[in-house]
Amino acid sequence: GAGVSQSPSNKVTEKGKDVELRCDPISGHTALYWYRQSLGQGLEFLIYFQGNSAPDKSGLPSDRFSAERTGGSVSTLTIQRTQQEDSAVYLCASSLARLGQGRPYEQYFGPGTRLTVT
Amino acid sequence: DAKTTQPPSMDCAEGRAANLPCNHSTISGNEYVYWYRQIHSQGPQYIIHGLKNNETNEMASLIITEDRKSSTLILPHATLRDTAVYYCIVRVGAGGTSYGKLTFGQGTILTVHP
Repeated sequence: GAGVSQSPSNKVTEKGKDVELRCDPISGHTALYWYRQSLGQGLEFLIYFQGNSAPDKSGLPSDRFSAERTGGSVSTLTIQRTQQEDSAVYLCASSLARLGQGRPYEQYFGPGTRLTVT
Repeated sequence: DAKTTQPPSMDCAEGRAANLPCNHSTISGNEYVYWYRQIHSQGPQYIIHGLKNNETNEMASLIITEDRKSSTLILPHATLRDTAVYYCIVRVGAGGTSYGKLTFGQGTILTVHP
C-alpha cells in the first residue's frame, strides 16, 4: 500500500519567509509525528498528534514553528520567519495508535522535505 | 525513555552476519527495545522490536539479555544494501508520558563491504 508521502521534496527559501511543509500519513493511521534532522545531527522530535487529543508540542524549538492536522489525516508544518538554522530535513511519520496498555506501535516515515534557508 | 549506548561505527563483510550491540542498562520494566535504520537520504525504517524475549522477523533477529540491560540486532546475511545508520531506541509502553515520540541517539553506522 501507499506509504507516508511528503511535499515538497525540496524547498529553498529566503531568510524571513514563511514555509509550509505537508505530510500525508498512511490511511488509517491516527497518530502522526514530525521530526527534523539537521546536517550532522540526529533526528529530533518536534510534535505528535494522536486522534482528537491535544498534540504534544514539546519538541517545537520556538514559537515560529506550528503544525496542524486537518480531518485527522493530512498535516502541515509551518515555519514562520525562517532562519538559516531552520535548514534541515523535516520528516513525518505515522502509526496506528494504541488506546489501552501495551507496546507502542512502530512508526513509518516519509522520505522527508529538505529545507534550505538562504 | 531510557538512554541507549551504541558503538559509532562497525564494518561487516557481505554475506556475513552483522551483530550490532546496544546497551540500555537503565531500562524499565515497561520499556520496549526498538530498532530502526536509516539508509542514506531516506527516512528511518522500522526493523524489529522486543520486550524481553528474543524476536525474529524477515529482516533481522533481536537478542535481549535476561537482565534486559543490553541487546543485539543480528542481520544474518548482510548485503551492500544494509549499509545504513542503525538506531537502538527504548520506548515506554502506553500510558507513559513520552509515549508518542521516538528519541534517536547517534546510532551505529554499519558499512557492509563487498
